[in-house]
Amino acid sequence: QSVLTQPPSVSGAPGQRVTISCTGSSSNIGTGYGVHWYQQLPGTVPKVLIYGNNNRPSGVPDRFSGAKSGTSASLAITALQAEDEADYYCQSYDINLSGVVFGGGTKLTVL
Amino acid sequence: QVQLVQSGAEVKKPGASVKVSCKASGYTFSAYSMHWVRQAPGQRLEWMGWTDVGNGNTKFSQKFQGRVAITRDTSANTEYMELISLRSEDTAVYYCARRESSSWYYYWGQGTLVTVSS
Repeated sequence: QSVLTQPPSVSGAPGQRVTISCTGSSSNIGTGYGVHWYQQLPGTVPKVLIYGNNNRPSGVPDRFSGAKSGTSASLAITALQAEDEADYYCQSYDINLSGVVFGGGTKLTVL
Repeated sequence: QVQLVQSGAEVKKPGASVKVSCKASGYTFSAYSMHWVRQAPGQRLEWMGWTDVGNGNTKFSQKFQGRVAITRDTSANTEYMELISLRSEDTAVYYCARRESSSWYYYWGQGTLVTVSS
């Protein structure tokens, strides 16, 4: 069981918008530590999409955006494309565990 | 450019140990900490631990306490993760990842598959 809870799967048609939630607690997302999001295409190394709640590294399209409120965070993907089909993970830091925590991952299917 | 190159795949028997290396290049090795993350087949990413280059302290996930060690050879720009008393559940791809501020990861090693099988 992951400390951060994500839906196992989401889906959307090309061009649509989808959001992936990440629910934590007062010991992780609810603290001042940031939430980060990764995309993992099949058989590849994870790639950071969002860091520090809502910052995009250079090269990441602005179709990807992050938000955080209270003990939850979300990743939004607009104008869905076939190549967005991947697993997505949220990540933060937990002060009770004194360590990094990942969500269980969400598989995005582009219909 | 920044590169993290890990050692090759390993096959180990239950009870054995494995040592995975992560060689860094393209930046000042001593200025950044490395974290270790693993991913069992079809499973989620799982944080294992790290050594803080600022104070030398190591911190491991409770799940791996007593079974994992992280060492660093600054002369070789290489960090090592050793996992002992391997069991079949340790079969996974092991990644090193350079820690950025507030512990997010931009640069990752290519991953090292460790297979534990009798």
